[in-house]
Amino acid sequence: DADVTQTPRNRITKTGKRIMLECSQTKGHDRMYWYRQDPGLGLRLIYYSFDVKDINKGEISDGYSVSRQAQAKFSLSLESAIPNQTALYFCATSDSRGYSNQPQHFGDGTRLSIL
Amino acid sequence: EDKVVQSPLSLVVHEGDTVTLNCSYEVTNFRSLLWYKQEKKAPTFLFMLTSSGIEKKSGRLSSILDKKELFSILNITATQTGDSAVYLCAFPSSGTYKYIFGTGTRLKVLA
Repeated sequence: DADVTQTPRNRITKTGKRIMLECSQTKGHDRMYWYRQDPGLGLRLIYYSFDVKDINKGEISDGYSVSRQAQAKFSLSLESAIPNQTALYFCATSDSRGYSNQPQHFGDGTRLSIL
Repeated sequence: EDKVVQSPLSLVVHEGDTVTLNCSYEVTNFRSLLWYKQEKKAPTFLFMLTSSGIEKKSGRLSSILDKKELFSILNITATQTGDSAVYLCAFPSSGTYKYIFGTGTRLKVLA
């Protein structure tokens, strides 16, 4: 079983719809992140959370919201989807214990297409 | 503003060739630099570098950091078709634990 699981794996929807992408992890990490990946732009951070009560905006948070339901669960919502939110979305986790700057572990991604 | 630039953007080689991928960075308070390999799905962690001049090796892959000149290189020797992927470098942004990623180098290895 994957350590970081994203659902759904693929989603096609229409402009204006509300979308939720879910992420769960079994790694026991306290830090969780949402990124989007677009061709030529690399991975860009949308939101991150360092524990259940800590939510922070990343570089491109407009149009998105998140919820950290538990240490193991971090969901990303698009309240009213628009076509330029079509992208590959990744959830990632990392551990704050031990030495600093632990590597991030990524889920397999959700490919989202908005028509 | 912290930033990272990878070069080349893409590279096509034949099996058995050796490749060198570059990652240049600007960061106010450097802590570490990480390399990832991304095939069709999730980026997977390869190396973390914190000190200059110490080479990290894993099989045919190796990486080294130059903190004076602000770059890192990833070498792949005797390339195989399975090395075809996008290679990403990243580092924690100054004063935070957010990671900044480069746009990646797309490597294609032909049989």
